[in-house]
Amino acid sequence: SYELTQPPSVSVSPGQTARITCSADALPKQYAYWYQQKPGQAPVLVIYKDSERPSGIPERFSGSSSGTTVTLTISGVQAEDEADYYCQSADSSGTYYVFGTGTKVTVL
Amino acid sequence: EVQLVQSGAEVKKPGESLKISCKGSGYSFTSYWIGWVRQMPGKGLEWMGIIYPGDSDTRYSPSFQGQVTISADKSISTAYLQWSSLKASDTAMYYCARRSGMATVFDYWGQGTLVTVSS
Repeated sequence: SYELTQPPSVSVSPGQTARITCSADALPKQYAYWYQQKPGQAPVLVIYKDSERPSGIPERFSGSSSGTTVTLTISGVQAEDEADYYCQSADSSGTYYVFGTGTKVTVL
Repeated sequence: EVQLVQSGAEVKKPGESLKISCKGSGYSFTSYWIGWVRQMPGKGLEWMGIIYPGDSDTRYSPSFQGQVTISADKSISTAYLQWSSLKASDTAMYYCARRSGMATVFDYWGQGTLVTVSS
């Protein structure tokens, strides 16, 4: 089965940059997507197609891809960015979907 | 405005059956896949399966195949997730989410339905 691995946690001071990686155990991969989930809320899409930002998502959120790893970068982290972040992709046929293991971002 | 509204929280006993719902509005319900995602307490997101309401084509994650049934009633723009015999390990928050067109991304999510299974 297809797996996406993320670091369990990332800690960052306000104003600094947080980087969250998501590593796939196989290629080729579909595009990757990133969701933000705050406590008691449904996930919200923050990055699609590896690096595109939906309307309404702050510019400090960006995404990149290299080989089997995609990265979510939050530049100038704010307290409101404290949340769980999940990457998501699909198998090469686009039939089966998978979420990453999730990363808790803590703003110090 | 695209909206997915899920049915309310449920408390059930082991062995009971359950069907939860997800009603779509603000878009053509039959033209977009609807997926279901499980989140166990304190844990991450797990994709369970997906259905295309237009023709009821359904795909399941191998982890959930045979454990749940996904269906849809396009006449009332509603997707369903059901269990025939609940277990305590089915206790979780369940989200429905719309897949965005041709992309394999879930762009709109329901508010979630909390299912608690306890004797």
